[in-house]
Order: sequence, then structure tokens, then C-alpha cells
Amino acid sequence: AQSVAQPEDQVNVAEGNPLTVKCTYSVSGNPYLFWYVQYPNRGLQFLLKYITGDNLVKGSYGFEAEFNKSQTSFHLKKPSALVSDSALYFCAVRPYDNFNKFYFGSGTKLNVKP
Amino acid sequence: DSGVTQTPKHLITATGQRVTLRCSPRSGDLSVYWYQQSLDQGLQFLIQYYNGEERAKGNILERFSAQQFPDLHSELNLSSLELGDSALYFCASSAEGRLIPDTQYFGPGTRLTVL
Repeated sequence: AQSVAQPEDQVNVAEGNPLTVKCTYSVSGNPYLFWYVQYPNRGLQFLLKYITGDNLVKGSYGFEAEFNKSQTSFHLKKPSALVSDSALYFCAVRPYDNFNKFYFGSGTKLNVKP
Repeated sequence: DSGVTQTPKHLITATGQRVTLRCSPRSGDLSVYWYQQSLDQGLQFLIQYYNGEERAKGNILERFSAQQFPDLHSELNLSSLELGDSALYFCASSAEGRLIPDTQYFGPGTRLTVL
């Protein structure tokens, strides 16, 4: 079955420390991969996407993600966390050869403490 | 502000009723997506329209239907409502071409409460 997994419901990190939000996927064929962020009482905002090319993708607000095909992962990272990064983060995948489907992970709540 | 508008912001209705949610995409975007976000189901992709035609279908119930009009706005119709349909419904739009997925811009959502 095709799916996206975010193994951590919550990630806690101190301000200034690096952060990682994990995402693994299971789809047939090559994937298009996305990260979105949702702040309280707001809609989702696009952070970054991997379509093809360089495995390291840079996105909004200093976030980046690395596509690892062998580990089927697309972890979201930031070198130095800010309190304002505290939000709900969603990973999503769209199979290249099954464009009609779009799968979201369950979301990871990031808490950045001062 | 993403440029995507959704109306109404809040909707309270009773079980068995029918409601229509409306979405206006960003100017020039041909693709519209609908999502449902609930506490127990998380974020679920429902359906996508591209230039008036259905492009992709996710976990959309048969009681739900959607359409995209010639002016590109979209409506999501929910009928025979059940308590479990209470959720946030998001619309998103993108300038997506036929093969490459593009950035989606999300509206503020419609909060549906079924009593």
C-alpha cells in the first residue's frame, strides 16, 4: 500500500538548536515530495518540494529537506530553530507514475522552547 | 494572504442536511484541491479539479461531490451529513501543468460543525 509516515507525533527542540522532522514514504515509482506547515487556526503553507535533481532542497524560512531514495525518506531540517517555527508540519507525496493520488502524513507537532 | 478565498468561514448544521462550500482560487490558477482535516483522520486529500475536469480523487465519500465552474471557482457539496463530517475543509489552488505538480496555496478553511 502506498503511504507516508511521520513517525513522531511531536518533536521538542530548544531555540538555536538544529531540528529534524522525519518523513518516510512508500510509493511505487518515483515520488514528488512536499513539506507543508500549519500554524494554529491557519491553513497550510507550502515550505518546499522535491521534483527532480539535487537531493537537497532548500525552502522557505530557512528550512531544507534531503531526499534519500535508498531509505525512502524526505526529512525536514533547519540548522537553528526559532520559537516561531513551532507549528504542525505535514509531509506529502505524489507518485510520479500515479499522478491521481496524493498522500499526506499524519503530521508532526514541532515545539521550539526558548 | 494566499490569494485563495473560501466561504463561509464557519458553518453549523444538523445531521442529514446538505451544505455547499465555496472556493475561489488564486488568479490564473487552473487547479483546485479539496482537503478535509479532522482530529481523528488527520489531513485527507479529497479531490482535485484541473480547468473544470476532475484530475485526481482521494478519500472522498459518495455523499460528497465537487465541481469546478468555467470561472474556475469550485464548490464542494456535502450531503446527508453525519456527526463525523465535522471538520475543517480546506481548498488549495495551484498553477499546475498537466504533468508536474506545482506549489499549492491554501485557503483559510471552512469549519463545519454538524450537530
